[in-house]
Amino acid sequence: QKEVEQNSGPLSVPEGAIASLNCTYSDRGSQSFFWYRQYSGKSPELIMFIYSNGDKEDGRFTAQLNKASQYVSLLIRDSQPSDSATYLCAVNAGGFKTIFGAGTRLFVKA
Amino acid sequence: ETGVTQSPTHLIKTRGQQVTLRCSSQSGHNTVSWYQQALGQGPQFIFQYYREEENGRGNFPPRFSGLQFPNYSSELNVNALELDDSALYLCASSSRQGMRDTQYFGPGTRLTVL
Repeated sequence: QKEVEQNSGPLSVPEGAIASLNCTYSDRGSQSFFWYRQYSGKSPELIMFIYSNGDKEDGRFTAQLNKASQYVSLLIRDSQPSDSATYLCAVNAGGFKTIFGAGTRLFVKA
Repeated sequence: ETGVTQSPTHLIKTRGQQVTLRCSSQSGHNTVSWYQQALGQGPQFIFQYYREEENGRGNFPPRFSGLQFPNYSSELNVNALELDDSALYLCASSSRQGMRDTQYFGPGTRLTVL
């Protein structure tokens, strides 16, 4: 079992729709959870982090964390073509190592 | 822009050679982590430096080594390059705050090994 799992996609949504990206992790001791966006040929860009169970909203982005289910998600409201990218879920168990998933490719159709 | 810089941007080497990649961390950050990202994969943790000491290491062989300097900039050295070392090498800087380590990436160095 991979430590951080994401559906590779591609996930295709029409412009203006809600995109829902999901991630599961295996280490129950995980403390910090991150979502990065990565455009093709570029480096990952931090868009959200969440530490506590529940929802955290930042503009069009909402991160949701459920530690009991070992599940973290990212919702993107009013999706735009510029949101088309690979979204990486990352998890840190409180030590030096942050584990990344392989990413989900998102396509937003105009 | 994260304030994290890396050099060079691109590099082409041949098998068996050695390479040094450089990273300058964001102002105020004392921790640097290095990652290898192969095409279509997520970043894989190589090691982390905190206040000039190696703070942890992933599943990479000893030919991957590093340094951190007093100004918190860092180097990644790879000896005896192999074809599979071709990847995007990412440096991430952070400011350790207890259990929380929010990392910001530099633009990366694209290494091609022929």
